[in-house]
Amino acid sequence: NAGVMQNPRHLVRRRGQEARLRCSPMKGHSHVYWYRQLPEEGLKFMVYLQKENIIDESGMPKERFSAEFPKEGPSILRIQQVVRGDSAAYFCASSPPAGVDEQFFGPGTRLTVL
Amino acid sequence: QKEVEQNSGPLSVPEGAIASLNCTYSDRGSQSFFWYRQYSGKSPELIMFIYSNGDKEDGRFTAQLNKASQYVSLLIRDSQPSDSATYLCAVNKRAAGNKLTFGGGTRVLVKP
Repeated sequence: NAGVMQNPRHLVRRRGQEARLRCSPMKGHSHVYWYRQLPEEGLKFMVYLQKENIIDESGMPKERFSAEFPKEGPSILRIQQVVRGDSAAYFCASSPPAGVDEQFFGPGTRLTVL
Repeated sequence: QKEVEQNSGPLSVPEGAIASLNCTYSDRGSQSFFWYRQYSGKSPELIMFIYSNGDKEDGRFTAQLNKASQYVSLLIRDSQPSDSATYLCAVNKRAAGNKLTFGGGTRVLVKP
C-alpha cells in the first residue's frame, strides 16, 4: 500500500486519558500535515511537520496537543487529558519535498471521547 | 468573512447533467487551489488542482480559476450517482507554510 497510512482507524478514550494517533506518509513524501474535522464542520489545519521539525503549528490548540515527526518512524499526534470536545476525525496528509503543493490524505482516525 | 466560502447545498443534479460548484476566497495571496471529494465517513480525495488563471480539464472534471475575482469553480460533466459526495475547495498560500484552508464543502446529490 503506497498511500498515507494512519492508525488506529478508530480510537475510544475516556475523559482524562491520552490519545496517540499515528501517521506514515506516502513513500517518497517528507512533509506531513494534520487536520481535524469536527462533526458537521469543515477541515481545519492543525500542524505541518518535516522530519524532526515542526514547520507550522498555528492551528494547534495551545494546551494538551502536541505533534512530532521523528527521524525514524511515523508522525504522532498526541492529545493529553482528552475531553469530549476532542471527539472528531483526525486526518493526516502528506506531500512530496518542496515545490509540490498537492497533499494526499490518509483514511483518518475517528476519536471518540466518552 | 470566511477565508474560503462554498454554498453548502445540497446541489441536486440529474444523472448525465453538468454539476457546477463554486468557491470564493478572501486572501489575494492565495497561490494554489484544490478540489477534494469526500464521501460520507471517508477521507478527502484529491480530484483537481489549479495554479493559473483559466481552465484545466481532467476527464469529466474541469476546474476554472479567476484570480482577479477570487473565484474558483469545478464542473462535473455527465454526472453519475457515484459523484454524490461533498466537494471541498481548498486554497494554499506557500508563504503561509503550505497549509490548506478549506471551505465548508458543497454536498452534491446526483439523482438517477
